This record gives sequence, C-alpha cells and structure tokens, in this order.
Amino acid sequence: SAVISQKPSRDICQRGTSLTIQCQVDSQVTMMFWYRQQPGQSLTLIATANQGSEATYESGFVIDKFPISRPNLTFSTLTVSNMSPEDSSIYLCSVDLGQGAKAEQFFGPGTRLTVL
Amino acid sequence: QKEVEQDPGPLSVPEGAIVSLNCTYSNSAFQYFMWYRQYSRKGPELLMYTYSSGNKEDGRFTAQVDKSSKYISLFIRDSQPSDSATYLCAMSAAGGFKTIFGAGTRLFVKA
Repeated sequence: SAVISQKPSRDICQRGTSLTIQCQVDSQVTMMFWYRQQPGQSLTLIATANQGSEATYESGFVIDKFPISRPNLTFSTLTVSNMSPEDSSIYLCSVDLGQGAKAEQFFGPGTRLTVL
Repeated sequence: QKEVEQDPGPLSVPEGAIVSLNCTYSNSAFQYFMWYRQYSRKGPELLMYTYSSGNKEDGRFTAQVDKSSKYISLFIRDSQPSDSATYLCAMSAAGGFKTIFGAGTRLFVKA
C-alpha cells in the first residue's frame, strides 16, 4: 500500500487567484495522477504526471490552467490557476501500485477547494 | 451515454441488512473491476478487486461481475453503521488504459 498526504486539506480562495496543491507519497512511484471530484459526480482524471517528463492531460484540461510539477518520484504539485467558482471541487492525487495491467490505486485525502 | 453508470442514492438501510450496490457499463473491453469506499472528507480506498467475470468474497463483502450483462455488484452482509460511506465502482481495460469511475452511491446504515 501507499501513504499519501496532501496539502492544504482545504482552502477558500478568491476568484482570479491561484492555488498550488502538494502531494507527497511515502514510496517512490513512477506515475502519479491528479483527479477532480465534484459533488455528485465521478472522479475525473485531470492529468498523469511522470517524473522527468511533461504531464499528460486529459481532454478538457490544459496545462495553462492546471500546471503540474513532478520533481522527484515521491512528490508532485498541481496548481489551479486563475480560479473561478467553477473550480470549486475536491482535488485528489493518486498512485497506482498495481502489477502490469492490474490497476490498484491509492488516493490521498483530497484538497477541498472553494472559490468565491 | 456514460461509460459507467451508478445510482448516486442515497441508500438508507437498517443495521444488519444486506446491501446491494450496482454499476452498469458500456465498454466491453473492461476486464478489471474495483470497488472503492470513501468516507466523508477522505480519499477513496480500494475495497474489492475482481478480474473478468465471477464472484469474489472478502469477509462481509462480495463482488460480482457479469460481463455478459455488463453489470457489476457489491453486496454487504450484516451491514454496520461503520459501513456508511460512498461506494464507487471503477473499471479498466487491459493494456494500461485509464480507470473509469462511477459517480458513487451514498450509503447510510442506521443503528
């Protein structure tokens, strides 16, 4: 298993500002994932972050809005830029410790973001 | 049509009841089926994992997969108030495709 921590756990931000969310894993992992979870909706993958390369973004998400850093194998950050109330959501980081094609994801506790 | 459909509930049952949670899906390529449990203000945690069709039992929890009907279920026997949480189904295809999550079903078990 993996122990994943996120900072901050929650924040209330003003429209137009940016927030950087940190994710720390207790073991080295190749890929880290960033998800958004809006009320009543499924987890939506924002991007996959590999150490040493550019993050891969899913359809509907762009690097200018959600820049990601992955400086080493245990840490990643997600920035939510130029925020609007529509960005209010829970943001989760995740790692996959499955073998081969088997997916076995572990999630951090999430960052609850409210944009006013 | 969403790839994975899950009734959001809420589902409220008395303590000791048998709970049935379900998801349907449209992509026949899915081969790995998971159930996650998410307590309030926590991240999802992997509860059950099944490959292809069949049943898998772990204590009070049983996961079933019916690929012919594209239907998966999670049964909870002798439900407890501590089972109150949101349960998300998830599935993925072989070959490293991303995991697709259902919207989650909120379950309340009343003491």
